[in-house]
Amino acid sequence: GAGVSQSPSNKVTEKGKDVELRCDPISGHTALYWYRQSLGQGLEFLIYFQGNSAPDKSGLPSDRFSAERTGGSVSTLTIQRTQQEDSAVYLCASSFQGGRAEKFFGPGTRLTVL
Amino acid sequence: SQELEQSPQSLIVQEGKNLTINCTSSKTLYGLYWYKQKYGEGLIFLMMLQKGGEEKSHEKITAKLDEKKQQSSLHITASQPSHAGIYLCGADNSAGKSTFGDGTTLTVKP
Repeated sequence: GAGVSQSPSNKVTEKGKDVELRCDPISGHTALYWYRQSLGQGLEFLIYFQGNSAPDKSGLPSDRFSAERTGGSVSTLTIQRTQQEDSAVYLCASSFQGGRAEKFFGPGTRLTVL
Repeated sequence: SQELEQSPQSLIVQEGKNLTINCTSSKTLYGLYWYKQKYGEGLIFLMMLQKGGEEKSHEKITAKLDEKKQQSSLHITASQPSHAGIYLCGADNSAGKSTFGDGTTLTVKP
């Protein structure tokens, strides 16, 4: 498809397990963002990749969270030793440039930590 | 980081009424976005504003950017039930990092 895709769409895991969330941005988009949205809340910024620059990781809530972007395309957000407070919808977005460009959002991954 | 404050947090209006949602930034705006989200669904892009004084419209929704005040407003004319949802403003900093406000939940009563 032509849009941003994310997988899995839903993930249920047990507390303490590691999870990996995947984002496939729109081809050619140099900027990629990860956000977290808890129920009834706004979007919490997690991390921003722009081209070959060092990512802006200022939003990652703890060292249990990490993300990488391989080949300037696909990105994986990894949460280690998941906690119940990690339960949320994780949204990925991409844009053709970093800043002043429409962000195209994926459908999100709903993570539930039991 | 760019702090965005939206007001009101929630809004209930009668169908046919006009309404305004505000978004204020604590820092210089390099790009301001409005998105709409329906419960359980993805984000729908409404519009992007870049220059002070800029105004854009999409159907019955108009957004303005006051760069000096670091503020944007979203105005809906003659609201309809289809306008219900969560409206989110987002903004870029100079490095392209985009952050979002907490959203305004709009309910339109038929």
